[in-house]
Amino acid sequence: GQSLEQPSEVTAVEGAIVQINCTYQTSGFYGLSWYQQHDGGAPTFLSYNALDGLEETGRFSSFLSRSDSYGYLLLQELQMKDSASYFCASSGGGADGLTFGKGTHLIIQP
Amino acid sequence: NAGVTQTPKFQVLKTGQSMTLQCAQDMNHEYMSWYRQDPGMGLRLIHYSVGAGITDQGEVPNGYNVSRSTTEDFPLRLLSAAPSQTSVYFCATSGLAGVNEQFFGPGTRLTVL
Repeated sequence: GQSLEQPSEVTAVEGAIVQINCTYQTSGFYGLSWYQQHDGGAPTFLSYNALDGLEETGRFSSFLSRSDSYGYLLLQELQMKDSASYFCASSGGGADGLTFGKGTHLIIQP
Repeated sequence: NAGVTQTPKFQVLKTGQSMTLQCAQDMNHEYMSWYRQDPGMGLRLIHYSVGAGITDQGEVPNGYNVSRSTTEDFPLRLLSAAPSQTSVYFCATSGLAGVNEQFFGPGTRLTVL
C-alpha cells in the first residue's frame, strides 16, 4: 500500500514563493506527481518526477528525493489565481492508478 | 476535441436507487479510471481499465460496477445507492505517458438521500 502526507493548508503572499511538501510511505514507488484543483473544478496535472532532482515548468518546480521519501512543489511569483488545492500522488509502477495525498489548500493573500 | 466528458453534472438519488455515471473520452487513451473525492479525503480509486474488455478494482470498489466495451466509454454503475456514496466522482484517462499524468473529466456531484 501507499500513503502520502502533506500539510492541509498553507498561506502565502502574492508575489512570494511557497513550498508544499509531501512525504510518502510506499511498498512500491515509481515516481511522484502533482495536481492542482480549483474549488469546484477537476484536478489538472502539473508535473511528474520519476528521478531524484528538480523539474521546472515555468513558475512551478517539483523536487523528489527517493532516499528521504520526500518531495515538494515550489510555486514562484505567486498570483491570486494560484489559490487552489494541490495534491501529490504516486503510483506503484503498474497500471492500477494513483494514490493521492489529502491535498494542501493554498491561500494567497494580497 | 472534447477531452474527457462526464454526465450528469449533478444527481440526487434516494437510498436503494441505481444509476449509471457516464464517462467518454476522445483522446484515444487506453487507460481509464474512476475516482471519488470526499472532503478531507483526497481522491480514491474505485475501478480502472487498461483497455476495452479489461477492468479491475481499485482501493474502494464496493457498491460499484464498471464495464469497458469500447475504448471511448467507461460507465460507472451504482447498484443500490447508499448515503455513504454521496461524493464527487471523477473519471480520468491517461495515454502513453502512463498513469502518472492523468486527464480528468469535470466530475459528477452525487447526493444520496
